[in-house]
Amino acid sequence: GQQVMQIPQYQHVQEGEDFTTYCNSSTTLSNIQWYKQRPGGHPVFLIQLVKSGEVKKQKRLTFQFGEAKKNSSLHITATQTTDVGTYFCAGWESGGYQKVTFGTGTKLQVIP
Amino acid sequence: DTAVSQTPKYLVTQMGNDKSIKCEQNLGHDTMYWYKQDSKKFLKIMFSYNNKELIINETVPNRFSPKSPDKAHLNLHINSLELGDSAVYFCASSFRDRESPLHFGNGTRLTVT
Repeated sequence: GQQVMQIPQYQHVQEGEDFTTYCNSSTTLSNIQWYKQRPGGHPVFLIQLVKSGEVKKQKRLTFQFGEAKKNSSLHITATQTTDVGTYFCAGWESGGYQKVTFGTGTKLQVIP
Repeated sequence: DTAVSQTPKYLVTQMGNDKSIKCEQNLGHDTMYWYKQDSKKFLKIMFSYNNKELIINETVPNRFSPKSPDKAHLNLHINSLELGDSAVYFCASSFRDRESPLHFGNGTRLTVT
């Protein structure tokens, strides 16, 4: 079945440093979504990418979808303590029956 | 408030017991899901219903039985609970359109002792 891996699994950064998490799928995706889960909370939708090579920005967050639609990345510029949490990518299978597979997640810790 | 709501928030029970978790959404979505999040934070889909029809049924023990009385409700009943069932269970909902994001409930933390 489809597998979606994320690296790194954990990342500790000093406040103000940049952070990037990478998402890789074993199969081609129709689209990819990113979610953030704060400690003790539930996953919250951030953004969706649909087109090959697409890049979207939300303030300090930059999201990219790979040309082959099998990988994606999330980059945070100048991290803040409010960025703490686990970031998940979620890939929708091409041709599948609306099945979305969540990545393994990257837990971000920001040291003030 | 428009939301996905689950009850209970916490569930502590002994091995062998049967328990249920309820989920309701008032977002007008036609698809609902159950996800299990283990101690390593992996989110694994268990079941998905579209308009009360089961459309995704992952490799889950028969002790887990979902029920969707209508498209706004999806419940999860677990028989003969085992230690390994301890996890956070999330309900989520979305529109069938695959560009629709998932909206998650607050989760139910199940602890089996």
